[in-house]
Amino acid sequence: EVQLVESGGDLVQPGGSLRLSCAASGFTFNVYSISWFRQAPGKGLEWISYISHPGDTKYYADSVKGRLSISRDNARNLVYLQMNSLRDEDTAVYYCARDRGHCTGTSCYRYPDSWGQGTLVTVSS
Amino acid sequence: DIQMTQSPSTLSASVGDRVTITCRASQSIISWLAWFQQKPGTAPKLLIYQASSLESGVPSRFSGSGSGTEFTLTISSLQPDDFATYYCQQYNSYPYTFGQGTKLEIK
Repeated sequence: EVQLVESGGDLVQPGGSLRLSCAASGFTFNVYSISWFRQAPGKGLEWISYISHPGDTKYYADSVKGRLSISRDNARNLVYLQMNSLRDEDTAVYYCARDRGHCTGTSCYRYPDSWGQGTLVTVSS
Repeated sequence: DIQMTQSPSTLSASVGDRVTITCRASQSIISWLAWFQQKPGTAPKLLIYQASSLESGVPSRFSGSGSGTEFTLTISSLQPDDFATYYCQQYNSYPYTFGQGTKLEIK
């Protein structure tokens, strides 16, 4: 069974830092890319970051670029989201998800097929 | 960025009804669209990918259609378990973007 488990969410002051982890199991981790999403309280879903299966390609939403950094450890089936300079508006449930899809020529199209249960990050003084 | 607009924002319906949710993209996304169901306090669940492909294990009363900029999610006969919020998401290009969601409520 595919399983993704996020951890690391906490209450942090504005300007603070936090590292989220996403532990994967039940599938061949090193052949799948992983994405992070978030959902502010009572709001919709927002994609925030992507990392390719070998970890050499990374994308970020403009809202987090320069403050968040994604990485992965394929030996330990883990993905990390380092969050710095946190703001009130970063308060949200953060989800990691496995990407599935296919490539045609040089273009790849991936969608999140399995999600973790989420971890809550609260930024407040 | 590609903007995704869902309608309606809220939909009231009864068990057994046929309902349709619409999602429009600000530019062509070909068929690179997914639909998700989310219940309060839980993670989104994939229902449909590539606009019309049903995810394994999802009941056949769910169907998706469309291409280019206009897409629909249809539930042919609402069941009690279907009352939830539904989101469309484009994966044609980064940044991936979602519609604002459609809350399906019991009438």
